[in-house]
Amino acid sequence: GQNIDQPTEMTATEGAIVQINCTYQTSGFNGLFWYQQHAGEAPTFLSYNVLDGLEEKGRFSSFLSRSKGYSYLLLKELQMKDSASYLCAVTLYNFNKFYFGSGTKLNVKP
Amino acid sequence: GAGVSQSPSNKVTEKGKDVELRCDPISGHTALYWYRQSLGQGLEFLIYFQGNSAPDKSGLPSDRFSAERTGGSVSTLTIQRTQQEDSAVYLCASSPLEASERVQETQYFGPGTRLLVL
Repeated sequence: GQNIDQPTEMTATEGAIVQINCTYQTSGFNGLFWYQQHAGEAPTFLSYNVLDGLEEKGRFSSFLSRSKGYSYLLLKELQMKDSASYLCAVTLYNFNKFYFGSGTKLNVKP
Repeated sequence: GAGVSQSPSNKVTEKGKDVELRCDPISGHTALYWYRQSLGQGLEFLIYFQGNSAPDKSGLPSDRFSAERTGGSVSTLTIQRTQQEDSAVYLCASSPLEASERVQETQYFGPGTRLLVL
């Protein structure tokens, strides 16, 4: 089966930087997505990595190492509104199915 | 523009009753996905449609669950003889992905249907 692992919960301070890790073990790999989900709301797309390296998008960056089966989401200049769950999802060579991790709940404190 | 819509937004039902959940994907999106999310948990894949066909039904938890999609658009997820463990948020997502494309597209999620089985 496919295995996607993320920490359950993290806490960080407003204005700081936080890194949320995701490791995966899958049979075939075609890309990794990060989604943000506020409580009671639907997930929204943050980033997509298919090649090794860092993708930067404003305060958010996502990194991928395919050889290590590892990704992280980096959030800079944390704001209170960044308190949410962050979901890592992997797609495989059949690329029509998304495998989600259980999500990391981020608590941003003043 | 219009996003993915789902109805009802909330549904309370009694154990043993059947429920039908509806998803209207973004116009023109060929791929449609159903997920289930229990409180504080990640997304559990249920079923995926490409057009009207469902090449992957592997996530349906039991034969009480079924789904169909007509006209390559609206999809309904039906749960028969509901059980309390069916209580969850049911999320629908659509993607413009074509079966022949090799570039991965993201999914766009609807707001979900919150199902409570008493």
